[in-house]
Amino acid sequence: DGGITQSPKYLFRKEGQNVTLSCEQNLNHDAMYWYRQDPGQGLRLIYYSQIVNDFQKGDIAEGYSVSREKKESFPLTVTSAQKNPTAFYLCASSRDVQPQHFGDGTRLSIL
Amino acid sequence: DQQVKQNSPSLSVQEGRISILNCDYTNSMFDYFLWYKKYPAEGPTFLISISSIKDKNEDGRFTVFLNKSAKHLSLHIVPSQPGDSAVYFCAASALVQGAQKLVFGQGTRLTINP
Repeated sequence: DGGITQSPKYLFRKEGQNVTLSCEQNLNHDAMYWYRQDPGQGLRLIYYSQIVNDFQKGDIAEGYSVSREKKESFPLTVTSAQKNPTAFYLCASSRDVQPQHFGDGTRLSIL
Repeated sequence: DQQVKQNSPSLSVQEGRISILNCDYTNSMFDYFLWYKKYPAEGPTFLISISSIKDKNEDGRFTVFLNKSAKHLSLHIVPSQPGDSAVYFCAASALVQGAQKLVFGQGTRLTINP
């Protein structure tokens, strides 16, 4: 059945390391999004992509990078420049102006 | 600055009664509003939405009301059930260069007591 798959569910990173979070969707949606959630806060937009090979910065893009080489995939790299990377990361996708569908998230922790 | 605010971090309601969750926004460019429900360690699930041209949308036990002049929306759940216990996020949407950009509130944790 169709949906959004984020992997891994839990991820640990040493300081100074880059880490890549996977997001795959089989909903045939054009647009994909990455959000970050911190305790007691809402979701904040990191990056979004409306079409393959194109993406835009969201509200908190510093320290992150993305790529969109395939319609189904939108990986997020948390770089060592991200000073506070510990958070719950959520990927979403949508078609046109339909509500965004979310994956189950990846929890990233710093060792 | 917080464009979308949910001022109640938590709400406790008796099973069978009405739950009312509130949300305020500041940006008059928002033209579409959504409510999402989230369980721990899972992604948010879309619940119900409303366009800015309407003032009410109903779907089963869930009704969303929009007061544009007050920049306020609310989600009513009646009757409340134990399975409704979750965190509810309000989100506001504006089309920016063809992309639907959502701005989320901080969430309200709803607990339904038996």
